[in-house]
Amino acid sequence: EAQLVESGGGLVQPEESLRLSCAASEFTLSSYWMTWVRQAPGKGLEWVANINRDGGVTHYVDSVKGRFIISRDNAKNSLYLEMNSLRAEDTAMYYCARDTTYYGPSNSYYDAFDVWGQGTVVAVSP
Amino acid sequence: AIQMTQSPSSLSASVGDRVTITCRASQDIRNDLGWYQQKPGKAPKLLIYAASNLQSGVPSRFSGSGSGTDFSLTIGSLQPEDFATYYCLQDYGYPRTFGPGTKVEIE
Repeated sequence: EAQLVESGGGLVQPEESLRLSCAASEFTLSSYWMTWVRQAPGKGLEWVANINRDGGVTHYVDSVKGRFIISRDNAKNSLYLEMNSLRAEDTAMYYCARDTTYYGPSNSYYDAFDVWGQGTVVAVSP
Repeated sequence: AIQMTQSPSSLSASVGDRVTITCRASQDIRNDLGWYQQKPGKAPKLLIYAASNLQSGVPSRFSGSGSGTDFSLTIGSLQPEDFATYYCLQDYGYPRTFGPGTKVEIE
């Protein structure tokens, strides 16, 4: 069964940095786009970033652009999120998720997050 | 960014009830929409992709419909394990955006 395990969360002060990791197992990481989603305490889900299969294409939500970097090492079956200049509003549970493409008729395709990790907590506080 | 809204924000229902949650996009997103279930302290779980396609392993009491801007998730007969928060997510454009969630509680 495909599995994702996040690590690297912790308590940091504002403006500090943190690097999250997501280890994949029981599937070939290089075959999938990958995504980070976060959830602030008591709040809803927020998509943060994704990365294509070879790491050459990335997308970010505006609130983290220029501060966060998503990357991957397919040889190590790992996904990463480098978080810089952290702010209090970055405090959240961070989930990595597998972004699977489903193909439909007439060359249509759809993306969905079909495998999730258990999450790692990031807390930013003075 | 595409804004997603959901209604209601919460509802109370009984086991066996039929429940419908709606999701609206701020622009036409074709049928590029998924539904996710999240229980307290757990990671979200994919229920529906492409608006109406049931993810493998998800019970058939869950169904999705809609296209364009208006979508719905229906639970045909609510079971005890279905009490959770449900989110829609558009995968039409970037940034991907989730709806604010609908909490389904026991009446």
